[in-house]
Amino acid sequence: EDKVVQSPLSLVVHEGDTVTLNCSYEVTNFRSLLWYKQEKKAPTFLFMLTSSGIEKKSGRLSSILDKKELFSILNITATQTGDSAIYLCASRNSGNTPLVFGKGTRLSVIA
Amino acid sequence: DAGVIQSPRHEVTEMGQEVTLRCKPISGHDYLFWYRQTMMRGLELLIYFNNNVPIDDSGMPEDRFSAKMPNASFSTLKIQPSEPRDSAVYFCASSWQGGIETQYFGPGTRLLVL
Repeated sequence: EDKVVQSPLSLVVHEGDTVTLNCSYEVTNFRSLLWYKQEKKAPTFLFMLTSSGIEKKSGRLSSILDKKELFSILNITATQTGDSAIYLCASRNSGNTPLVFGKGTRLSVIA
Repeated sequence: DAGVIQSPRHEVTEMGQEVTLRCKPISGHDYLFWYRQTMMRGLELLIYFNNNVPIDDSGMPEDRFSAKMPNASFSTLKIQPSEPRDSAVYFCASSWQGGIETQYFGPGTRLLVL
């Protein structure tokens, strides 16, 4: 059974800190790994990663995938209170199959 | 486009009542997903459709849950009879064939069964 595990489950940091969120996966015929940000409402798409070692970047957020060790990290630098959210990692295998989500990391950034 | 539309946004009902959740996917998307999210279990896929046809309903908890997609612009998730353990946020998401990973989520329906 495909599985995605995120750590930590919860994290509290101060504004300006840098955080690293972890996601490990066990997926048969891996195709892609995705990161979503969920604030008060629905998850919104951040990144999709398919190749090892290639960093995806968007502002203060970046993510990278290691297909050998079966994990991905999401980095947030110079955190702001607006970064407070649940960050979800999801993986997908080949074929028209849906995503398997991890339980998420709840990040709280305090002033 | 207005994005994925769900209704109602909140529902409070009593145990044993029928609950119907509604979803309108983004026009042109041919995949539709129903998810349930709770603190304990996180985000769980219940069922998904491709071109209005149910592809995988293995995530549906039990026979009390049913989902339909009568056309490309409308889907329902029904719970009958509802139970307190069904209390959760139910999300609908849609995507298109060329980008199934990039799912666009609706705002969710927060269901409370008393």
